[in-house]
Amino acid sequence: EDKVVQSPLSLVVHEGDTVTLNCSYEVTNFRSLLWYKQEKKAPTFLFMLTSSGIEKKSGRLSSILDKKELFSILNITATQTGDSAVYLCAAEIIQGAQKLVFGQGTRLTINP
Amino acid sequence: KAGVTQTPRYLIKTRGQQVTLSCSPISGHRSVSWYQQTPGQGLQFLFEYFSETQRNKGNFPGRFSGRQFSNSRSEMNVSTLELGDSALYLCASSLAGYNTGETQYFGPGTRLLVL
Repeated sequence: EDKVVQSPLSLVVHEGDTVTLNCSYEVTNFRSLLWYKQEKKAPTFLFMLTSSGIEKKSGRLSSILDKKELFSILNITATQTGDSAVYLCAAEIIQGAQKLVFGQGTRLTINP
Repeated sequence: KAGVTQTPRYLIKTRGQQVTLSCSPISGHRSVSWYQQTPGQGLQFLFEYFSETQRNKGNFPGRFSGRQFSNSRSEMNVSTLELGDSALYLCASSLAGYNTGETQYFGPGTRLLVL
């Protein structure tokens, strides 16, 4: 059965800290690993990773994929209260059509 | 460009009733996927439609069904509602959703409460 596991499930840090969120996956027909940020309703897209070892960056956020060990990490440096959200990772599977298998999410809380 | 829209945003139903939710994809997007999000199970894939055809289906009972119209708008229907169907239902759209490396863009969701 396709499975994506995120850790930790919950994380509380102070503003300015650096955090690392983990995502491991075991899926068939893997194509890519995606990260989303969900604050209130709609998850918003952060990164799509298809190649191992190539870091993607967007401001204070960065992410990397290891296809050999089947995991990805999302780093957030100099965290701000606006980073508080649930961070979701999803493995994209191509099985006749696109399908995303999501992890449970990491609830990140940044305290001022 | 307008994003993915879903209607209604909130819905309250009682057990045994049925419900229909609607999703309008981003203009030009032809693939629409539906997901159920609950605190216990997280985000789970329901089904995906492209050109009015269901191409992929998750592990949900037959009470959950959907369809897509020629303008790519999609509806999902849940019959004989159960308390456990209370969830946030999200739809996501992409251009073609097939081996193109595209991103899925999510709508704001419909929050369904079954009493």
